Amino acid sequence: EPEVTQTPSHQVTQMGQEVILRCVPISNHLYFYWYRQILGQKVEFLVSFYNNEISEKSEIFDDQFSVERPDGSNFTLKIRSTKLEDSAMYFCASSATQRSGNTIYFGEGSWLTVV
Amino acid sequence: DAKTTQPNSMESNEEEPVHLPCNHSTISGTDYIHWYRQLPSQGPEYVIHGLTSNVNNRMASLAIAEDRKSSTLILHRATLRDAAVYYCIPHNNNDMRFGAGTRLTVKP
Repeated sequence: EPEVTQTPSHQVTQMGQEVILRCVPISNHLYFYWYRQILGQKVEFLVSFYNNEISEKSEIFDDQFSVERPDGSNFTLKIRSTKLEDSAMYFCASSATQRSGNTIYFGEGSWLTVV
Repeated sequence: DAKTTQPNSMESNEEEPVHLPCNHSTISGTDYIHWYRQLPSQGPEYVIHGLTSNVNNRMASLAIAEDRKSSTLILHRATLRDAAVYYCIPHNNNDMRFGAGTRLTVKP
């Protein structure tokens, strides 16, 4: 079964450093998402991306964050100048469409620890 | 987005059926009702979804109330692997938002 793959599975970074989290969505999907989950808390929506631009973002997704689809297969989340509170599991997801009956497929996550 | 109410936690015995309820009284007419689950240390996983009629798949059944203001996810025979947080998410043509879900514990 096709799946969303994410790298790295775990990254430790110094506060203030830039981090890039990478995702390979399911190949025929057109919509891409990033979510995050702080330890012990709920899964939070960050951003959705379609046709090479952001279609929706949450209040969490501020100027510190950016997303990019640099080629035909990868989808990245960049966090500039990481803060301690950015420590979380980051999930990439993709879907074929955004219609209401559509299924969103999630990756296994990238665990980011900021020290 | 429609507001949902789910029990914080539920317990089940292995190989017994589990009924996970969800209230979504503010659901709009075009929202599908999606259920996802999150196993420990994993990403959310699709379980099932429906609009008005009850739905069955290999993982579970979804019973939707006639007024669509509530639904119930049914696991017919819970296994230890079904221990997870289960999320009920009314979803339309926008981005999927997760609530706190129901943490299901399955006892051997």
